[in-house]
Amino acid sequence: AAGVIQSPRHLIKEKRETATLKCYPIPRHDTVYWYQQGPGQDPQFLISFYEKMQSDKGSIPDRFSAQQFSDYHSELNMSSLELGDSALYFCASSSRQGYGYTFGSGTRLTVV
Amino acid sequence: AQKITQTQPGMFVQEKEAVTLDCTYDTSDPSYGLFWYKQPSSGEMIFLIYQGSYDQQNATEGRYSLNFQKARKSANLVISASQLGDSAMYFCAMREGAGANSKLTFGKGITLSVRP
Repeated sequence: AAGVIQSPRHLIKEKRETATLKCYPIPRHDTVYWYQQGPGQDPQFLISFYEKMQSDKGSIPDRFSAQQFSDYHSELNMSSLELGDSALYFCASSSRQGYGYTFGSGTRLTVV
Repeated sequence: AQKITQTQPGMFVQEKEAVTLDCTYDTSDPSYGLFWYKQPSSGEMIFLIYQGSYDQQNATEGRYSLNFQKARKSANLVISASQLGDSAMYFCAMREGAGANSKLTFGKGITLSVRP
């Protein structure tokens, strides 16, 4: 069965650089979520999109932006990277027809 | 206030024994869902079990069962017959509201170590 695909799996950036993380949800899932998980921390909700429109917003820094495209894939853009942005970034998708959330394998971002 | 509370610092269990991981939650919404996820050291988030607020029976999925006590607002995960591969971080999470497209809120997690 198709899963949530995230790319890249690993990313190393320098401070003040930009990064773009991509997420391809499960086909026919209508909602995409982004989470940030710092080392030893619980996942923190960043932002979500329902049918390509932003549906909810959490603790996402102003330096970050995200969007969902017509093919339902989503991208998280991160600018002026800081050391504290080093984390595991998860994308998840869900469908109104079900109750579950499927998570991607995550992108591990390291800012040096 | 914390929506999901997991206070156990770390748990140890002998292989083949059962273990209970605690989770309490706080919500004023009558419709909500409770989830448990396993996160091994490799990092992926693996869905284990789900309990809806209106479900009459406790959820079970293989070796996993959820001890749902609605009045106490607790949703403890019971793992029976622990295996070495169960060693991981375990997160309790909640979705508030009836919509299936509401975000999940996670607890701080519990580290489980299974001893041979």
